[in-house]
Parts: sequence; C-alpha cells; structure tokens
Amino acid sequence: GQNIDQPTEMTATEGAIVQINCTYQTSGFNGLFWYQQHAGEAPTFLSYNVLDGLEEKGRFSSFLSRSKGYSYLLLKELQMKDSASYLCAVRDQNYQLIWGAGTKLIIKP
Amino acid sequence: ETGVTQTPRHLVMGMTNKKSLKCEQHLGHNAMYWYKQSAKKPLELMFVYNFKEQTENNSVPSRFSPECPNSSHLFLHLHTLQPEDSALYLCASSPFSGDSSYEQYFGPGTRLTVT
Repeated sequence: GQNIDQPTEMTATEGAIVQINCTYQTSGFNGLFWYQQHAGEAPTFLSYNVLDGLEEKGRFSSFLSRSKGYSYLLLKELQMKDSASYLCAVRDQNYQLIWGAGTKLIIKP
Repeated sequence: ETGVTQTPRHLVMGMTNKKSLKCEQHLGHNAMYWYKQSAKKPLELMFVYNFKEQTENNSVPSRFSPECPNSSHLFLHLHTLQPEDSALYLCASSPFSGDSSYEQYFGPGTRLTVT
C-alpha cells in the first residue's frame, strides 16, 4: 500500500529553527508538496519538489531525496503565526495526491 | 470573490436529512476535487472532476453524490448520512488534474456534524 509518514506533533520556540520530516512509500513519484493549514482554515500551498535537493523560499525551505523516499520542511526564524499543521503529499504514478496525516506545529514564546 | 469558496461553512444534519454542499472557484481552473478531512487522519480524496467529467471516485458510499454543472461549480449532495461521516469537507481546484506540477487551491471547508 501507499503510505506517507510524518510526526503527529512538534513544539518549537519563537525565533528558532524547526525541521519537519516526511517519509513516503508510493507507487511511482511525480512530485512532493508541502501545505500549511491553520486551524479551521483551508490548506495553502508552501512548496513543490520533484528533483533532489533543496528549494528555498524565504523563511521556508523544502528538501527532497527520491532515493530515500524522504523530504523535510525547514522553517527558520519561527514566528507565532507559524503555529499550524503542515501536510506532506506525494503525487503517485497515476497523478493522484497521497496525503500524510499532517504535523501539528506548536510555537512557544 | 476570489479563490475557492464553500457554503455553508458549518452544517448540522440528522441521519434522515438531505443537504447539499456547494463549492465555487474563481480561478479559471478545469479540475475540481472533494476531500474528507477527519481529525488526525490524512486527507481522503472522494471525487475528481476534469472539464466537468468525473474521473475519480474513490469507493465513496452512494450516500454522497457529486454534481459538477460547469467548471466553476461543484456540489456534494448528502442523504441518509451516518455519524462517522462527520468531518471537514474540503473542495479544491487546479488547472488540470493530470499535470504533476500544479498545486491545488483549497476552499475553507464545510464542518459537517451528523447527529
């Protein structure tokens, strides 16, 4: 079966750096997405990786290793507004998105 | 209006009721999706429409019935639901479902409670 694993919850301090990991086993691979979802709101797109390496976008970066079936989302200079759930999703060989259960990130002052 | 909108935002219904969820996208996209989001579980894809044609139905019970009258509107008709159907129902759209690089744009969801 297809599976996406990510930690259920993480806690970090304002101003610090946090890394949220995602591992996947899917039938084929056509890209990996990270989304942010604040409580009670719509998921919003953060990043897309299809080739190995690091993609940087402001305070957020996303890394992909296809050979290891592994990605991480790196958040720098954490702000209180970064408290949210972070969803990892992989597009499989049929171009269907397979989703992880999300990582709830709690930022403390 | 911009982006993807959903109505109602909250819905409480009995198991014998019939109700409909509405989704509208103002992005000019050709693909629309219904997802179910339950607490601490991955998003579950329910239905996919491309150019108004249904292309995915992930073994969803017949008590959920989708309708896509045009590329901008998507409905989910509900009847004789069960308490376990209580969840957040999210609508999303994308330019086309078959391209790997396109992200999906989500609406704010309808919080459904079945009593």
